[in-house]
Amino acid sequence: GQSLEQPSEVTAVEGAIVQINCTYQTSGFYGLSWYQQHDGGAPTFLSYNALDGLEETGRFSSFLSRSDSYGYLLLQELQMKDSASYFCAVRDKNYGQNFVFGPGTRLSVLP
Amino acid sequence: DVKVTQSSRYLVKRTGEKVFLECVQDMDHENMFWYRQDPGLGLRLIYFSYDVKMKEKGDIPEGYSVSREKKERFSLILESASTNQTSMYLCASISGGLASYEQYFGPGTRLTVT
Repeated sequence: GQSLEQPSEVTAVEGAIVQINCTYQTSGFYGLSWYQQHDGGAPTFLSYNALDGLEETGRFSSFLSRSDSYGYLLLQELQMKDSASYFCAVRDKNYGQNFVFGPGTRLSVLP
Repeated sequence: DVKVTQSSRYLVKRTGEKVFLECVQDMDHENMFWYRQDPGLGLRLIYFSYDVKMKEKGDIPEGYSVSREKKERFSLILESASTNQTSMYLCASISGGLASYEQYFGPGTRLTVT
């Protein structure tokens, strides 16, 4: 089987740095993805880690450690527009190569 | 720009009605998915399709069926809508190959069954 866990809510202030963790249980997957979803909107792709280590894309970075079954999304220089839900997802080798999503973390950025 | 469109943003149906949700993508993607999204549960896979006329069950296929007659179009059918099918329905597509990792989502259809 497979499951992903994320904190349900995170709150931070503008300009701060926040880390959203994702732990998973699966025996094999191709990589860890992150998606952002604003209220009423569609999920949009943010980043992907195929290998262990840090991937940086502007203010956002994502990290994966397969040995620790753990990943995170790091958001720097937070802006009000970053208030959204963030989902981690894996493409599971044992699940017909389909994607399994975490429950999502709701980030609130305060002024 | 990849575009995935869904036939309706909001839909209200009565219990027992047959409901059709349509999804169209314009990037010639092989793979298409239907998810439902409920608070605290994330996205759960209902059905997916790897090719025309091919379909596979996801985690929660009960009460749903799908149709893929053309590569760009993937339809979700609720044979007899029930109140527990009130939810946000999201369609997604991705190009073929296991190296692909970026799913493109439609705007979603918020279905209310009364």
